Amino acid sequence: GENVEQHPSTLSVQEGDSAVIKCTYSDSASNYFPWYKQELGKRPQLIIDIRSNVGEKKDQRIAVTLNKTAKHFSLHITETQPEDSAVYFCAASKHNQGGKLIFGQGTELSVKP
Amino acid sequence: ETGVTQSPTHLIKTRGQQVTLRCSSQSGHNTVSWYQQALGQGPQFIFQYYREEENGRGNFPPRFSGLQFPNYSSELNVNALELDDSALYLCASISGANVLTFGAGSRLTVL
Repeated sequence: GENVEQHPSTLSVQEGDSAVIKCTYSDSASNYFPWYKQELGKRPQLIIDIRSNVGEKKDQRIAVTLNKTAKHFSLHITETQPEDSAVYFCAASKHNQGGKLIFGQGTELSVKP
Repeated sequence: ETGVTQSPTHLIKTRGQQVTLRCSSQSGHNTVSWYQQALGQGPQFIFQYYREEENGRGNFPPRFSGLQFPNYSSELNVNALELDDSALYLCASISGANVLTFGAGSRLTVL
C-alpha cells in the first residue's frame, strides 16, 4: 500500500546551523506534499507544502524540494533557532483523495542554543 | 486559533466501553478527516466525510464509525474500546485547495 518513509528519526543541530529532513513516497500518483510541525502536546501545524508541478518552494528560512522521478522530497531549515525544536512530519496525498494524508514517522528536531 | 475545535480535550475510558468525539470544522469547509495519532507516531488516516457521506476510509475496523452533520460538524465513534485505541484523535478541516487544518485533538486513554 501507500507508504511514506522519513529520515532521520532524530536530528540535533546547533543554533544557526541548517537542518535537512528527507522523505520518500511509494505511490507515483501522489501529487501533494505538506510538512507539519508538531510541538509537544499541540496540534500539527502546516509550515510549507509543495505540489507536483513544481520542484522547489521557499518561505523565509524554510524550503522544500521535490524530485518526482526519485519519489522523494526534503525539508530544509536554515539559520535554525531554538523555537524550531519540535517534531516534523512529512506527508503525501493524491489529487482525488485530498483529505487522506499518508504521514511519515516524524523527525524530532532539537536545536541547541 | 485555526477554527477547528474538538471536544473533549481529554477523556479516560475502560476496555469495552464506547466513546464519541466531536469536531467543529472551519467555516465553509464541507470536508473533514479524522486521524489517530499514537504516542511517538505520525497521524494515521481513519476516514473522511464530505457533505455528510463517508468518502474514504483507512485501515481501521468497523467499530470506528463517524457522522457528519448539515453544518459540517462531525463525530467519531469508537465501540468496544481496546487498550491500543489509546491515542490522540485529530480532526482536520479541508479547504478547497486540499489543505488540511488540524484541531487540537482529543486525547483518549483506555484502561
